[in-house]
Amino acid sequence: GNSVTQMEGPVTLSEEAFLTINCTYTATGYPSLFWYVQYPGEGLQLLLKATKADDKGSNKGFEATYRKETTSFHLEKGSVQVSDSAVYFCALSGGSQGNLIFGKGTKLSVKP
Amino acid sequence: DAGVIQSPRHEVTEMGQEVTLRCKPISGHDYLFWYRQTMMRGLELLIYFNNNVPIDDSGMPEDRFSAKMPNASFSTLKIQPSEPRDSAVYFCASSLGTVSGANVLTFGAGSRLTVL
Repeated sequence: GNSVTQMEGPVTLSEEAFLTINCTYTATGYPSLFWYVQYPGEGLQLLLKATKADDKGSNKGFEATYRKETTSFHLEKGSVQVSDSAVYFCALSGGSQGNLIFGKGTKLSVKP
Repeated sequence: DAGVIQSPRHEVTEMGQEVTLRCKPISGHDYLFWYRQTMMRGLELLIYFNNNVPIDDSGMPEDRFSAKMPNASFSTLKIQPSEPRDSAVYFCASSLGTVSGANVLTFGAGSRLTVL
């Protein structure tokens, strides 16, 4: 079945460092891919998405490119801020069923 | 829109008591999801509805858990009787279905349940 694998956390970076959080997936068909972010004490919120191969999703300085050949959707940001400290979830659509399949989440801590 | 509204935000109860969590989805959304989040197990899908009809409840842990969606603007998740291992944050989310299946879920703030 469809599944998502994210890199294990936690990830600790200094402010202005480069961020990569790896995400790979297994899926039949052509799923859409998502990154969600969860700030402390809050629910998950959509960060970015891509609906087809080679699409690049971007938001708030974060980017991820849908790579069908490597079945990956890695999240990147060129210069992280303390306010980016959160848990990041990679997810893929479950096809026509309407649900999403989430990875286990990667906790990011950014130190000043 | 006020977003997905969950209540209560925090619930502390004793083992054996009944717990009811409530959710009001975004108006017009036709999908509703219940998730549970714990440190050990991460984010787990419990059940989801489409047009008020349960589509997949395979994630519901056991018969102590039940969920209903009597109309498009309200859903409940009930645990009876509750046990300490049910302690978790329970999230409700809703979305508008798309032909492509690229549904964007909007999450509520969660209900933190502690069972003593």
